[in-house]
Amino acid sequence: NAGVTQTPKFRVLKTGQSMTLLCAQDMNHEYMYWYRQDPGMGLRLIHYSVGEGTTAKGEVPDGYNVSRLKKQNFLLGLESAAPSQTSVYFCASSYSNFAWTQYFGPGTRLLVL
Amino acid sequence: AQKVTQAQTEISVVEKEDVTLDCVYETRDTTYYLFWYKQPPSGELVFLIRRNSFDEQNEISGRYSWNFQKSTSSFNFTITASQVVDSAVYFCALGNGGSNYKLTFGKGTLLTVNP
Repeated sequence: NAGVTQTPKFRVLKTGQSMTLLCAQDMNHEYMYWYRQDPGMGLRLIHYSVGEGTTAKGEVPDGYNVSRLKKQNFLLGLESAAPSQTSVYFCASSYSNFAWTQYFGPGTRLLVL
Repeated sequence: AQKVTQAQTEISVVEKEDVTLDCVYETRDTTYYLFWYKQPPSGELVFLIRRNSFDEQNEISGRYSWNFQKSTSSFNFTITASQVVDSAVYFCALGNGGSNYKLTFGKGTLLTVNP
């Protein structure tokens, strides 16, 4: 099992450009999450999904959109990138019952110039 | 609202020393879960332990041990005989037992173990 994978690993964008980050999991988890990690801020939840076709806002959703068309995939989109979105993005997934430890992907480092 | 406080921003020890990382949490839920994750210099987040609010037993796994005390809302993590490979950022996180299953993370503690 690959666990949680993220594509790409690193990306440089110019202000105003758009991009999509892909998260895939092969553990048949119901729940998936997108976090961003900034120095001194810990991890903050952007959006999450409790199942295929569902999404919900987290702590810092502005400037991002998400989609969960397939159970195994969770996409994070930036429609018009801003320098404030320079960060490391982590995807995670979990079961929806008692065994709901979140398992994280390796992260995507995004630099917006 | 949920909150996790890791008061120690950075800790530096010499190899073989014992070190304790503090975690204090706030929640109004009666059912909740506490976690510790390790983030080594390579950047990935590695799950270490999960503890639910009904289980106050301390746990030991090799050189790692965790002390959960509901009376003080603390879930501290001790590394015994630290090693250079323990150098990492350690995050404490809190999840509720409700329907949203979201985690609230502390800001992390950077542990540096010097040879």
